[in-house]
Amino acid sequence: DVKVTQSSRYLVKRTGEKVFLECVQDMDHENMFWYRQDPGLGLRLIYFSYDVKMKEKGDIPEGYSVSREKKERFSLILESASTNQTSMYLCASSLIRAGKTQYFGPGTRLLVL
Amino acid sequence: SQQGEEDPQALSIQEGENATMNCSYKTSINNLQWYRQNSGRGLVHLILIRSNEREKHSGRLRVTLDTSKKSSSLLITASRAADTASYFCATVPNSGGSNYKLTFGKGTLLTVNP
Repeated sequence: DVKVTQSSRYLVKRTGEKVFLECVQDMDHENMFWYRQDPGLGLRLIYFSYDVKMKEKGDIPEGYSVSREKKERFSLILESASTNQTSMYLCASSLIRAGKTQYFGPGTRLLVL
Repeated sequence: SQQGEEDPQALSIQEGENATMNCSYKTSINNLQWYRQNSGRGLVHLILIRSNEREKHSGRLRVTLDTSKKSSSLLITASRAADTASYFCATVPNSGGSNYKLTFGKGTLLTVNP
């Protein structure tokens, strides 16, 4: 069965801290994605990766970076967390072929104080 | 920018009734997908309909697609309390190198009352 896991369900950090959110998928998917979800704004794509060490900016990459050193793992990094990065973060993966279904992790709810 | 826009934003019905949600989009698509999200959880894929399909069924779900009107609808028949969730449409564009990215709407919150 398909599985995407995220390192934490809930996280509380302080302004200025460096934050790592990790995502692991066990489906050998080429594509991996990071979204943030905010009330009234829906899901917005932060970054995605289509191969190891390859990445592309999404719609809202400012303040974030990503790392993909292994195919199954995609990390989202907040270099210096700010209160406006308080949000629900969702990771997803999919096959390389165009338009394929995305499989989501359970989400990480991040609070930046 | 949001490609898909769901309508209504919220819907409350009684158990056993049918629920219909609509999605409109702006540009040409490769396919359209519907996802469900239970409160505080990740999204779960429900159904995918390709641009050359008009209707698709999966259990109690029926999806239609009208590419001339750039719209889709999701019908849930004989709803259950467990169907209470947010429902999102997501589109894959038909052109360019971004055709593996999904663009999500803001969702419809469905509440099914026992």
